[in-house]
Amino acid sequence: GAVVSQHPSWVICKSGTSVKIECRSLDFQATTMFWYRQFPKQSLMLMATSNEGSKATYEQGVEKDKFLINHASLTLSTLTVTSAHPEDSSFYICSASEQGTEAFFGQGTRLTVV
Amino acid sequence: QKEVEQDPGPLSVPEGAIVSLNCTYSNSAFQYFMWYRQYSRKGPELLMYTYSSGNKEDGRFTAQVDKSSKYISLFIRDSQPSDSATYLCAMGRGKLIFGQGTELSVKP
Repeated sequence: GAVVSQHPSWVICKSGTSVKIECRSLDFQATTMFWYRQFPKQSLMLMATSNEGSKATYEQGVEKDKFLINHASLTLSTLTVTSAHPEDSSFYICSASEQGTEAFFGQGTRLTVV
Repeated sequence: QKEVEQDPGPLSVPEGAIVSLNCTYSNSAFQYFMWYRQYSRKGPELLMYTYSSGNKEDGRFTAQVDKSSKYISLFIRDSQPSDSATYLCAMGRGKLIFGQGTELSVKP
């Protein structure tokens, strides 16, 4: 299968600071990337969908000003958690898809806000 | 009602057992069905990918889709301790709707 690399794999930050998470498709062009959040013992919840060169589409209840998504190239999307608070601590996972075919997932980023 | 329902378990079986994991769904428009395996603190890994109804086999894994009943299954034969993980069903194309995940433990 295709490879999607997510970085960093874990990060600890202070409350009020911003954190950027990168998602890269290494061997294919990701026309669409998806960002999910997963709380312990729970399933993946879609946060937003981003198409290369377009604004991201956010799911209901997800604050677009807090979770900034940029998909400036066909191999890179970033998620920035702005003014992070402890309740934002979670496991964030990206997936990438080429022209609507099956999506491949990154390794995930564990964010802890202290 | 959730779009996709999956028994969260946990499910514990002895090594060598046959494991049956299931999901039900409500949206009859779903055409693509996936099973993912997720180890603790890792991203999901695609196990099986099925289009429409029918069976698909890959080694010890068999996926079944019954669209008339809106029911999908994953069978694991000769289960191994290394199969211990959370198994998530998912539906859709690109943008996926996930089940809650079933935590499986295979005891040596």
